[in-house]
Amino acid sequence: GAGVSQSPSNKVTEKGKDVELRCDPISGHTALYWYRQSLGQGLEFLIYFQGNSAPDKSGLPSDRFSAERTGGSVSTLTIQRTQQEDSAVYLCASSFRAGREETQYFGPGTRLLVL
Amino acid sequence: AQSVSQHNHHVILSEAASLELGCNYSYGGTVNLFWYVQYPGQHLQLLLKYFSGDPLVKGIKGFEAEFIKSKFSFNLRKPSVQWSDTAEYFCAVKGPGYSTLTFGKGTMLLVSP
Repeated sequence: GAGVSQSPSNKVTEKGKDVELRCDPISGHTALYWYRQSLGQGLEFLIYFQGNSAPDKSGLPSDRFSAERTGGSVSTLTIQRTQQEDSAVYLCASSFRAGREETQYFGPGTRLLVL
Repeated sequence: AQSVSQHNHHVILSEAASLELGCNYSYGGTVNLFWYVQYPGQHLQLLLKYFSGDPLVKGIKGFEAEFIKSKFSFNLRKPSVQWSDTAEYFCAVKGPGYSTLTFGKGTMLLVSP
C-alpha cells in the first residue's frame, strides 16, 4: 500500500510569508505526527494527533506554528510570518494507533527554505 | 524528560569492516527503542525496533541491536558493512508516558569501497 506522502517536496518562500505543508498519512492510521529536521539538530517533535482527541502541541516552537487534521486523515502544518530559522525539513509520520508498542512510518518530508 | 545520545556524529569505515553505533537513553522506565536509517536522498526508514522479549533484535539488511537495560543502551551492529550502508542512522526512544519519539542527533556513516 501507499506510504505517507507529503507536499510540496520543496518550498522556497520569503521571510514574513505564510506557508502550508500537507501530509497524507497511511490509510487506516489514526495517529499523525509532525517533526522538524534541522541541520545538525536531529529530529524535533512538533505536534501530534490521535484520532479525534485534542492534539498534543507541546513541541510547537512558537505561536506562528499551527496544524490541523481534517476528517481524521490529511493534516496541514501552517507557519505564519516565516523566519529564516524556520528553514528545515518538515517530516510527517503516521502510525496505526498511538501508545504502547507503536511504530511510526515517515514521509519524504518537505524541505522549506526561507529567504 | 527523555533524551537520547548518539556518541558518534560521523563514522568512516571500509567495506567489510564491522560496525557498532552507540545509543544511550535517559528514561528509566519501560521503553520502546528504534533505529531508523536515512539513505542519501531518501526518507527515514525503520531499520529495527525493540518492544519486549529477546533483547537482541534483528532488523533488515543484516543489522542487529542489543538492548542492555542496565546500561540504558541500544547499540546498533553489523558484522560486515557494504558501500550501500552509507547513510545517516538515528536512534529513537519512546517511554509510556510520552506521546512521541525522542531522537538522537544521528550518526552519519560513510563506507568507502
